[in-house]
Amino acid sequence: SQQGEEDPQALSIQEGENATMNCSYKTSINNLQWYRQNSGRGLVHLILIRSNEREKHSGRLRVTLDTSKKSSSLLITASRAADTASYFCASEHSGGGADGLTFGKGTHLIIQP
Amino acid sequence: EPEVTQTPSHQVTQMGQEVILRCVPISNHLYFYWYRQILGQKVEFLVSFYNNEISEKSEIFDDQFSVERPDGSNFTLKIRSTKLEDSAMYFCASDRYNEQFFGPGTRLTVL
Repeated sequence: SQQGEEDPQALSIQEGENATMNCSYKTSINNLQWYRQNSGRGLVHLILIRSNEREKHSGRLRVTLDTSKKSSSLLITASRAADTASYFCASEHSGGGADGLTFGKGTHLIIQP
Repeated sequence: EPEVTQTPSHQVTQMGQEVILRCVPISNHLYFYWYRQILGQKVEFLVSFYNNEISEKSEIFDDQFSVERPDGSNFTLKIRSTKLEDSAMYFCASDRYNEQFFGPGTRLTVL
């Protein structure tokens, strides 16, 4: 699979349920970031997890990172209709300099009211 | 809260014309980036910029593209002779401590 592949590609759940999205990557990373994108709009930064961290929380978001499996997950708890969006993971390769992020194809999340 | 801004929000141009996309990064950020997203596809890295020079660029960033920081606030992406396949959303981003914050994007349509 390509760097920063998310699964599932699409997820539809009921409001109030938890949503889990997964991401895999191939090369060593400095950090991994999750973004949200509403249709046709910009990318909103949600959370960054560094390679030496295993779990991070921000409000209703919980991100985990498993560097041995080169994977990350994003959990949104108690989902709301406003969470409907596409979610992308983006990894920054190890190494110096201003490295661009490598994005996955994203998970399209639909929260049914 | 400070944010990255981009102008214009939508640019329509004829094939072969030059376009300049403008960005104002967050003021105390040191690293600047351009990405593009063709409709329905992944966000792709184009170029990064630090200390007034290109730090890294992707295969997409060929001789048709150039970037400039003409003053202390603006960061521009120029496409010299646009092609149909340049139609995409172009996002600017800036970061200071590895968190990259994106602007709202410029939708470029090449006719």
